[in-house]
Amino acid sequence: GAVVSQHPSRVICKSGTSVKIECRSLDFQATTMFWYRQFPKQSLMLMATSNEGSKATYEQGVEKDKFLINHASLTLSTLTVTSAHPEDSSFYICSAKTLASPLHFGNGTRLTVT
Amino acid sequence: SQQGEEDPQALSIQEGENATMNCSYKTSINNLQWYRQNSGRGLVHLILIRSNEREKHSGRLRVTLDTSKKSSSLLITASRAADTASYFCATAQMNRDDKIIFGKGTRLHILP
Repeated sequence: GAVVSQHPSRVICKSGTSVKIECRSLDFQATTMFWYRQFPKQSLMLMATSNEGSKATYEQGVEKDKFLINHASLTLSTLTVTSAHPEDSSFYICSAKTLASPLHFGNGTRLTVT
Repeated sequence: SQQGEEDPQALSIQEGENATMNCSYKTSINNLQWYRQNSGRGLVHLILIRSNEREKHSGRLRVTLDTSKKSSSLLITASRAADTASYFCATAQMNRDDKIIFGKGTRLHILP
């Protein structure tokens, strides 16, 4: 089945630093990748939709300068949390899809900002 | 904004019993999907039901869809301890099936 690899699975960083999270589709080309944020015992909140070679579409309330998304190829999207603060601590999950498929999810990244 | 609302928010049942979770949504949809999430992990796709379908089965899973009531249910029969997880419905809106919106989820706990 389709596999999406997300890296790193856990990261701890100091306040003010930037963190990059990678999302790769390993055995298929993803036309679209999505980035979600999830707080404990909460649902997934869509942050942005990313299409290869074009600018990401951010959801209302998500700062595009804070959460930089790059989708350089059909198999790789990155989310960079810039100048991270403790309130950015969360579980970030990516997903990928092709035209006619359901979403395939990475295993998420637990970000802790100290 | 969240599209789906699951109920109950949490459900504990004995192993072997059936578990039923419900989902309501607000706008017209192309399809509705159910996903499962184990604690601290990504989501796993369980089943997709299209807007012109009313019922779908996959193993011990049974999903129904009532577009007139904008609701869906997920039934897990003969539950097992390994079914303990959070379950989310997700909808793809008409003309925007690239955008999937998740409900708040039901936390299911199967008691041994």
